[in-house]
Amino acid sequence: RKEVEQDPGPFNVPEGATVAFNCTYSNSASQSFFWYRQDCRKEPKLLMSVYSSGNEDGRFTAQLNRASQYISLLIRDSKLSDSATYLCVVVPSGGYNKLIFGAGTRLAVHP
Amino acid sequence: EPEVTQTPSHQVTQMGQEVILRCVPISNHLYFYWYRQILGQKVEFLVSFYNNEISEKSEIFDDQFSVERPDGSNFTLKIRSTKLEDSAMYFCASSDRDRGELPLHFGNGTRLTVT
Repeated sequence: RKEVEQDPGPFNVPEGATVAFNCTYSNSASQSFFWYRQDCRKEPKLLMSVYSSGNEDGRFTAQLNRASQYISLLIRDSKLSDSATYLCVVVPSGGYNKLIFGAGTRLAVHP
Repeated sequence: EPEVTQTPSHQVTQMGQEVILRCVPISNHLYFYWYRQILGQKVEFLVSFYNNEISEKSEIFDDQFSVERPDGSNFTLKIRSTKLEDSAMYFCASSDRDRGELPLHFGNGTRLTVT
């Protein structure tokens, strides 16, 4: 089983749509969770951390279910500029020094 | 906002040649990392570096790879004898562990092409 699994997409949605991405991770002792965004041939950029209680940043909502080892990202009111690949990232227990990346889910928002 | 800077942005080299990828981390950061991303694949951890030594490395980071912080500002990744499969984007990152959490700040990457 892959350490971090994501649906590769692509998700093709119109502007204004709500879209949800899912991610599962295999190491139940993982301690920190993030969503990063990566534009084509660019570096990953932190979108948001994911907390057990769930957290929101503007149009973005992240949730974590430790029991199911499942992470989600919800994007409301999609903008053209949201088009990118969204990377689910997990930090394993004791692994302060490294991030484990999923392969990413590609989002294309069209007019 | 402070940035991690990497040079060169694109390096082309022949198989068997040595390459050095350079990074200038954010000045007050203490932890430094190299990641790579083969085209179309996921970002993979290579190595972390703290207090002038490697703190962790992945299976990818074999004897052909080395890292160094030659002065107070630069952080380099050396590949001694490049292989075709070393072709990838290489991202340097740094973090301020004192904040008690990641995230990492990534540089904009060096695209390495081995021919």
